[in-house]
Amino acid sequence: SAVISQKPSRDICQRGTSLTIQCQVDSQVTMMFWYRQQPGQSLTLIATANQGSEATYESGFVIDKFPISRPNLTFSTLTVSNMSPEDSSIYLCSVGVVKGGDGDTQYFGPGTRLTVL
Amino acid sequence: RKEVEQDPGPFNVPEGATVAFNCTYSNSASQSFFWYRQDCRKEPKLLMSVYSSGNEDGRFTAQLNRASQYISLLIRDSKLSDSATYLCVVNNAGSYQLTFGKGTKLSVIP
Repeated sequence: SAVISQKPSRDICQRGTSLTIQCQVDSQVTMMFWYRQQPGQSLTLIATANQGSEATYESGFVIDKFPISRPNLTFSTLTVSNMSPEDSSIYLCSVGVVKGGDGDTQYFGPGTRLTVL
Repeated sequence: RKEVEQDPGPFNVPEGATVAFNCTYSNSASQSFFWYRQDCRKEPKLLMSVYSSGNEDGRFTAQLNRASQYISLLIRDSKLSDSATYLCVVNNAGSYQLTFGKGTKLSVIP
């Protein structure tokens, strides 16, 4: 499986500021995704990070709030803009892996734990 | 109806017990199925894929019933280290997108 790292691992931010989270993969991957996991909840897909084009956002998430970059096949960033306490969450990146007959699955980075005061 | 539903638990079982988790999914076009494990304050990790014929990996057995849109995970001889939240995950045909259940929390007690 791919080795995925995220920076920062955690941060505490003031409301109204923005934070950029980095995701680095040790191999080239086609599909990268950003998820949010709010306290006590499961994972919700924010967007698919497309290399060389704009990210594809899920319902309820918009580019102005969560701009995403994907400059190459090993790196992506997610920015959480104009933060409010409701944005306090764990943000995870993942990479899609084709497992042949097993179907497509994903491996996750360690996550970024964000607290907004 | 939620896309992927699981009993949230918690399931508190003694070491050595056998425990089973169930999951139902609403999208009949779902193509691939997985169980992930998530430890407290950690990222989800793939535990096993679920095949139509059922599959076993050591103490873990996963089964899929497409007609009932139902997936199960059986853990035999539970260990303390099995304590975690188990996420039922479904993926639709032709898509990399995964849909996660909320997870079932398991605590194995000595």
